[in-house]
Amino acid sequence: QQQVKQSPQSLIVQKGGISIINCAYENTAFDYFPWYQQFPGKGPALLIAIRPDVSEKKEGRFTISFNKSAKQFSLHIMDSQPGDSATYFCAARRSNDYKLSFGAGTTVTVRA
Amino acid sequence: DGGITQSPKYLFRKEGQNVTLSCEQNLNHDAMYWYRQDPGQGLRLIYYSQIVNDFQKGDIAEGYSVSREKKESFPLTVTSAQKNPTAFYLCASSEDRRRGYTFGSGTRLTVV
Repeated sequence: QQQVKQSPQSLIVQKGGISIINCAYENTAFDYFPWYQQFPGKGPALLIAIRPDVSEKKEGRFTISFNKSAKQFSLHIMDSQPGDSATYFCAARRSNDYKLSFGAGTTVTVRA
Repeated sequence: DGGITQSPKYLFRKEGQNVTLSCEQNLNHDAMYWYRQDPGQGLRLIYYSQIVNDFQKGDIAEGYSVSREKKESFPLTVTSAQKNPTAFYLCASSEDRRRGYTFGSGTRLTVV
């Protein structure tokens, strides 16, 4: 049973557009929510992460929005570039655990 | 530079043979993990280890075995009991419960 549900499975966006990926969870014990970016044939790399005491975190063109009451969080990629074309995974971790629970991933394609 | 090294990058084996995938880290991280990635299925946890000489099964441990004799090393053996071993295998490590994972670059195993 997947503890973090991610959508959409894939999306296509024009260069300069906004990519939005959504994740939802049920376990209220989760207290750490990272996003990973993976290029084909490579391992995922940590992109940005948030904790539930803040509602938004921005790093460059990447923003996480967090809605604790709805148990949802999302990644926004502003001014999407062809180099952003990759698979993105959301994840979550409980405070007393080492393991991350991953979403199924979203493949983003940015068309020039 | 600190990081995780997985070797080899590509591995071919005949059906029925055991094969061991190497994972070494020089980050001084306590915890290490093995994930399997199949197209469209995200990241599935095989085994993880929080300390030396201790490890736990993940969600899909059947047909796999691990050891953690040294903090730096966490090899994964894919045994002949694994029914569908062809996949992309990712090793990761984490420093503590408050931080994300660092992933290796993966090993693509093909069983013929």
